[in-house]
Amino acid sequence: DAGVIQSPRHEVTEMGQEVTLRCKPISGHNSLFWYRQTMMRGLELLIYFNNNVPIDDSGMPEDRFSAKMPNASFSTLKIQPSEPRDSAVYFCASTIAGAGNTIYFGEGSWLTVV
Amino acid sequence: AQSVSQHNHHVILSEAASLELGCNYSYGGTVNLFWYVQYPGQHLQLLLKYFSGDPLVKGIKGFEAEFIKSKFSFNLRKPSVQWSDTAEYFCAVQGATNKLIFGTGTLLAVQP
Repeated sequence: DAGVIQSPRHEVTEMGQEVTLRCKPISGHNSLFWYRQTMMRGLELLIYFNNNVPIDDSGMPEDRFSAKMPNASFSTLKIQPSEPRDSAVYFCASTIAGAGNTIYFGEGSWLTVV
Repeated sequence: AQSVSQHNHHVILSEAASLELGCNYSYGGTVNLFWYVQYPGQHLQLLLKYFSGDPLVKGIKGFEAEFIKSKFSFNLRKPSVQWSDTAEYFCAVQGATNKLIFGTGTLLAVQP
């Protein structure tokens, strides 16, 4: 059974370029989360969706970041323009909304902005 | 707003030593509590979770955690660690909105 699938696994880009990270949640899951992990700030929740609708985007750092979920099987996190301080591992996770349900993580997208 | 505090940032143990990692949370309502593990270079995996019932929860690989509501704590324990337990451990709290917030993590290094 496929888990949460993220792409790309690794990306190196120049400052100012647009970056798009992609996520395919586990089939049947209706909640999707985007997290960012850095040494300095640990795991931060950026945004999460229930039934394709953004519920809480208070963790999105600034207007350069945007996330969409056009359907139940696909989500994107876009950074435009990218900056070196955006370098991090970005994790997507999914679950079935409900008390105590396990949230499953993808393997992450390692982003380096130079 | 919910928050999680992990007091130990780095822990170094010898094999066979006992482990206890502290986790305290802040939230005004009913919570679900989780411990996740991240092995070097890998994604997060669930160790165990509590959402109701017996406050002593047993997870995979011999780990357990105890929910003490009066102390807002959910400490992780293992009686005897192995070198393969070297990883980063994250405590997380989930409130009514399904939002999962993580602590800053504890890096565990087990020396053979």
